[in-house]
Amino acid sequence: DAGVIQSPRHEVTEMGQEVTLRCKPISGHDYLFWYRQTMMRGLELLIYFNNNVPIDDSGMPEDRFSAKMPNASFSTLKIQPSEPRDSAVYFCASSPGQGQRNEQFFGPGTRLTVL
Amino acid sequence: AQSVTQPDIHITVSEGASLELRCNYSYGATPYLFWYVQSPGQGLQLLLKYFSGDTLVQGIKGFEAEFKRSQSSFNLRKPSVHWSDAAEYFCAVGAYGGSQGNLIFGKGTKLSVKP
Repeated sequence: DAGVIQSPRHEVTEMGQEVTLRCKPISGHDYLFWYRQTMMRGLELLIYFNNNVPIDDSGMPEDRFSAKMPNASFSTLKIQPSEPRDSAVYFCASSPGQGQRNEQFFGPGTRLTVL
Repeated sequence: AQSVTQPDIHITVSEGASLELRCNYSYGATPYLFWYVQSPGQGLQLLLKYFSGDTLVQGIKGFEAEFKRSQSSFNLRKPSVHWSDAAEYFCAVGAYGGSQGNLIFGKGTKLSVKP
């Protein structure tokens, strides 16, 4: 199994530009999670999906952030317009089922730098 | 409210010494507990998990953790640390979903290993 795949691994952009991060979950996993990790705030859950449907997006910081999951094998996290404070590592994770027992499998992350 | 506390932000140990990383949780029922490790530049990888049964659980890379209900703790241990264990370690508790997804993470403990 290839695991969770994220692209790009690194992204450097200028303030005001649109940024799109991509994620391919593990096949057969029904849950997909987007996290942001910074030194100041640690690991934050942004949004998660169940069977391609967004379940909770209360962690999304602003309207500049949006996430979609058009099918079971692909999700995007978009920031438009980007700002320097969005610089962070963004992780995608997938999980085989609901609830407390299910471990999450993490991708390698996308390191975003907004200049 | 469910929460996870990792009291130590940063720990330094000598190679070959024993290690214990602390984790305390707040949860209203029987918890499902996890330890993840994040090597530099990598995503989070599951070390071990506890659901029920034997309170001492074994994980990968020679790690173990002990669940103590009376202390609401799930401390991670390793008898002899290797330089490759230098990483950040996250404790997590399984949740019922909602705004927290299905895992609540602690803030992490960064482990440095002295030669």
